[in-house]
Amino acid sequence: QVQLVQSGAEVKKPGASVKVSCKASGYTFTTYYMHWVRQAPGQGLEWMGIINPTGGGTHYAQKFQGRITMTRDTSTNTLYMELRSLRSDDTAVHYCARGGVITGPTSFALDIWGQGTTVTVSS
Amino acid sequence: QSALTQPASVSGSPGQSITISCTGTSSDVESYDFVSWYQQHPGKAPKLMIYEDIKRPSGVSNRFSGSKSGNTASLTISGLQAEDESDYYCCSYVGGSTFVFGGGTKVTVL
Repeated sequence: QVQLVQSGAEVKKPGASVKVSCKASGYTFTTYYMHWVRQAPGQGLEWMGIINPTGGGTHYAQKFQGRITMTRDTSTNTLYMELRSLRSDDTAVHYCARGGVITGPTSFALDIWGQGTTVTVSS
Repeated sequence: QSALTQPASVSGSPGQSITISCTGTSSDVESYDFVSWYQQHPGKAPKLMIYEDIKRPSGVSNRFSGSKSGNTASLTISGLQAEDESDYYCCSYVGGSTFVFGGGTKVTVL
């Protein structure tokens, strides 16, 4: 079945970087856009960015520009999200989610979600 | 890009209908037919409930419906059930390959 499996929880110190992975299975990896979304404790969902797994092109939310990098490895159907210069308010559950199809009419909906990766930033 | 505006909470009795609003601007919700809605139970990943303003994915109950008028999208839950008690988020495409979520609405079944 279609699923996204994310890497385990991370604890980082302020100023450090974190890299979260998301392995896709059950569908053709290069057919769909992929998103990263995060959720701070007790807060709402926050869109972070999108990647085209075919060419690797990315678009990031302005808030994260300069601090975030999304990449992919098509040989292993795995996405990566690296966030640098971590602060305490980066403590959140980070989700990867499948977006719309890359070619043809697309829905722009996030239809499949990973289980989430908790990133805790604490000194 | 500012978050879309949703009411913090909405409640209703079993069997009733409730509607959650999601207000954006002429640059996002009103400009594109790409509002989606997500249900999120505590400690769980979000689940897609509505996409392209009004479409329902297979497997989602027909008690859930979406609509839009101008810069405000809405999610209606008919025949409210205990299992519908959850957090709900809207999301809109805002152009330039970017997206924005609403602040979320907690639905309580009385």
